[in-house]
Amino acid sequence: EVQLVESGGGLVQPGGSLRLSCAASGFTFSSYSMNWVRQAPGKGLEWVSYIGSYSNTIYYADSVKGRFTISRDNAENSLFLQMNSLRAEDTAVYYCARPRSCNGGSCFDDYWGQGTLVTVSS
Amino acid sequence: EIVLTQSPGTLSLSPGERATLSCRASQSVSSSSLAWYQQKPGQAPRLLIYGASSRATGIPDRFSGSGSGTDFTLTISRLEPEDFAVYYCQQYGSSPRTFGQGTKLEIK
Repeated sequence: EVQLVESGGGLVQPGGSLRLSCAASGFTFSSYSMNWVRQAPGKGLEWVSYIGSYSNTIYYADSVKGRFTISRDNAENSLFLQMNSLRAEDTAVYYCARPRSCNGGSCFDDYWGQGTLVTVSS
Repeated sequence: EIVLTQSPGTLSLSPGERATLSCRASQSVSSSSLAWYQQKPGQAPRLLIYGASSRATGIPDRFSGSGSGTDFTLTISRLEPEDFAVYYCQQYGSSPRTFGQGTKLEIK
């Protein structure tokens, strides 16, 4: 059974940093690209970042470019999102998601984690 | 980037009725690269439809998708109580992938 479990969310002050993790199991992690997608409270879904299966290709949404860094450890079946210079508008539930298929870095996802909440507030 | 506009914002129907949800793109979505997701409160999105009309694994056949170019539709033929949720369309034909703002399907 495919499982994606996010962790690392919490309350952080504006300008602060946070590192999210996603532990994957039930599939060959190194064979799949991965995504982070976020959802602000009461709002819709927003794609954040994509990473290729061997970290060879990385994309970011304009809203996080230069502040967030996606990475992965295939030996540990883990996906990460390092978030720096956090802003109030980054407050959201962050989901890691495994794509069913991608067109370049543009994917649709058939497995999602339960999400981890990041709150940016003073 | 492609902007997706979903309508209506809220749809109030009764179990057993037919639901028709619309998703309109600001420009043509290449290769019908359009997906639909269902999201219930406190849960992650669930993939329903991809390629505009292909059902994902385990999705009941009361869910169907159609459309091409800039106009897409998700139809639920006979609503079950568990179908009341928020539905999002998403295009993956061009980068960046984008989502619609969602349609809330509520019990009348």
